[in-house]
Amino acid sequence: AQSVTQLDSQVPVFEEAPVELRCNYSSSVSVYLFWYVQYPNQGLQLLLKYLSGSTLVESINGFEAEFNKSQTSFHLRKPSVHISDTAEYFCAVKNQGGSEKLVFGKGTKLTVNP
Amino acid sequence: EAGVAQSPRYKIIEKRQSVAFWCNPISGHATLYWYQQILGQGPKLLIQFQNNGVVDDSQLPKDRFSAERLKGVDSTLKIQPAKLEDSAVYLCASSMGQGIYEQYFGPGTRLTVT
Repeated sequence: AQSVTQLDSQVPVFEEAPVELRCNYSSSVSVYLFWYVQYPNQGLQLLLKYLSGSTLVESINGFEAEFNKSQTSFHLRKPSVHISDTAEYFCAVKNQGGSEKLVFGKGTKLTVNP
Repeated sequence: EAGVAQSPRYKIIEKRQSVAFWCNPISGHATLYWYQQILGQGPKLLIQFQNNGVVDDSQLPKDRFSAERLKGVDSTLKIQPAKLEDSAVYLCASSMGQGIYEQYFGPGTRLTVT
């Protein structure tokens, strides 16, 4: 069965600083990888996804993540964060074929301070 | 395009009582999911429907939880009787199909069992 580990439960940073949210996964087969964001009192929104092709994927609001198969990682990065990026971020994995189950990590709460 | 709708948004009940949650997916979405998100954890899949058939309910506590999707559109999730450990946010999501299709999440129902 697949699993996801998000190494940091909370990440506080100052506005305009760079940030990296770490995600490692475990699976015996090839996977699809996702980052979701959850703003306070809202549902989950897809931030970006890796399905195939280029290992570097980007979102429309400046986030990027790189799929590293050898390290089984899919870390999320942003070079300069804004106050509005304060939210909880969830990494998720789905096996290609077989079970369609989307398995989430425990989440990382990003707090951007002025 | 309207998103996934859920009701109620909040519910407080006493243990051993019953409760039901309702979900209306995005129009045309064949696949519907119910997740349980306990505080401090990532969402966990409870049940997945493809049209009105169950695809995966391996993590649904069937002695107390039940779900149905009549006519392949709306869905209800019921808990009877509720336990203290059922306190969580219940998220509904829908997608056009299985595989690489994006899952769209509703705002969730926050259940508190006292």
